[in-house]
Amino acid sequence: SQQGEEDPQALSIQEGENATMNCSYKTSINNLQWYRQNSGRGLVHLILIRSNEREKHSGRLRVTLDTSKKSSSLLITASRAADTASYFCATGPTGTASKLTFGTGTRLQVTL
Amino acid sequence: SAVISQKPSRDICQRGTSLTIQCQVDSQVTMMFWYRQQPGQSLTLIATANQGSEATYESGFVIDKFPISRPNLTFSTLTVSNMSPEDSSIYLCSVALGTGGNYGYTFGSGTRLTVV
Repeated sequence: SQQGEEDPQALSIQEGENATMNCSYKTSINNLQWYRQNSGRGLVHLILIRSNEREKHSGRLRVTLDTSKKSSSLLITASRAADTASYFCATGPTGTASKLTFGTGTRLQVTL
Repeated sequence: SAVISQKPSRDICQRGTSLTIQCQVDSQVTMMFWYRQQPGQSLTLIATANQGSEATYESGFVIDKFPISRPNLTFSTLTVSNMSPEDSSIYLCSVALGTGGNYGYTFGSGTRLTVV
């Protein structure tokens, strides 16, 4: 069963705007990761945030983690058409760091 | 980080037949993971493949339907057996980017399977 629920399920914005996606999960985690998938292809790892971290940045990406609320958000700033993709959060559980559980995903459409 | 070559990239198969998907990694890795992504859905872990031992299957997946081989530390195959249209999905393999916990994963480019 899915660990994470993401919202919105779909998001459409114009180029240059910011995109925010949210992820909620159910159990204790070791880390939370975000991935991008273009057109049903393989996933690309974007960023990982550890359970003891609250915020992390990578280029135009900003990830926050609130373990008390079991939630995370991914912010993409100054979006580009090339950011059009599906975005998934995935949690790495405590104790068995090898197994990821994926959220339901957000489909992002960035238009010119 | 590891690079994975996965093939075939897509296939259309008749029901009742089997398809074997291959993943080749450019470095040695202990564990490889096989996922299924049904149309419009998220990824679900099928099994974890360790070299030299039987694969570990997740609830709802069985070895008879999804036999896995892991002959060495750089290669694995997943077979989808006795296929039905419900098996139409994208199948992906994955390995960890590092060791010691708190690492991301790299994925193969996926195999888009359509069963008719």
